[in-house]
Amino acid sequence: DIQMTQSPSTLSASVGDRVTITCRASQSISTWLAWYQQKPGKAPNLLIYGASTLKSGVPSRFSGSGSGTEFTLTISSLQPDDLATYHCQQFSSYPYTFGQGTKLEIK
Amino acid sequence: QVQLQQRGAELLKPSETLSLTCVVDGAYFSSYFWNWIRQPPGKGLEWIGEINHSGITNYNPSLKSRVTLSVDKSRNQVSLKMSSVTVADTGVYYCAKDLIDGEDSWGQGTLVTVSA
Repeated sequence: DIQMTQSPSTLSASVGDRVTITCRASQSISTWLAWYQQKPGKAPNLLIYGASTLKSGVPSRFSGSGSGTEFTLTISSLQPDDLATYHCQQFSSYPYTFGQGTKLEIK
Repeated sequence: QVQLQQRGAELLKPSETLSLTCVVDGAYFSSYFWNWIRQPPGKGLEWIGEINHSGITNYNPSLKSRVTLSVDKSRNQVSLKMSSVTVADTGVYYCAKDLIDGEDSWGQGTLVTVSA
């Protein structure tokens, strides 16, 4: 199985901050990576697929980059609504695997 | 957005068999793979497997011995059966559409509680 490692596990930042979350794959997955946002008690919501393609309707302050084994999700200017847990998922090979999640807290 | 409907909650005893269903918007049933994903309380997401309208399946090897995915085309329904459940199988179980077109859709999730 491909192991996905996210860092940090928890992140505390202020409104307006630039925030970066990293996801590392245990082997190359090209750009077969998605990022999700999950708010408490809700299903995850896709933000980015193909490592860097923003899903339609997602605010442009979200962006993704990377290929191979290292990927980043960036929020350019943190908003109060961004309080959530963020997950990465690889789609390169079965079984599809997720990172352990990054909980984003607003200071 | 593709609609997926799941039941609210299930309560089982250890060693019982879990049965979950997900009713899919009929207009899209034949177009995608339908995934099952679970999330233990306070933990991350785990991919269980996927199935399409023809019954083609892919499973997570860690669960494959206990999980069976099936389809009922007459009801636009996909189902998950998990045998010999334990407390470790407690969590929210989601059905979700694949991402082939860059759009996701999720059921609201079924809370599964396994307790003696």
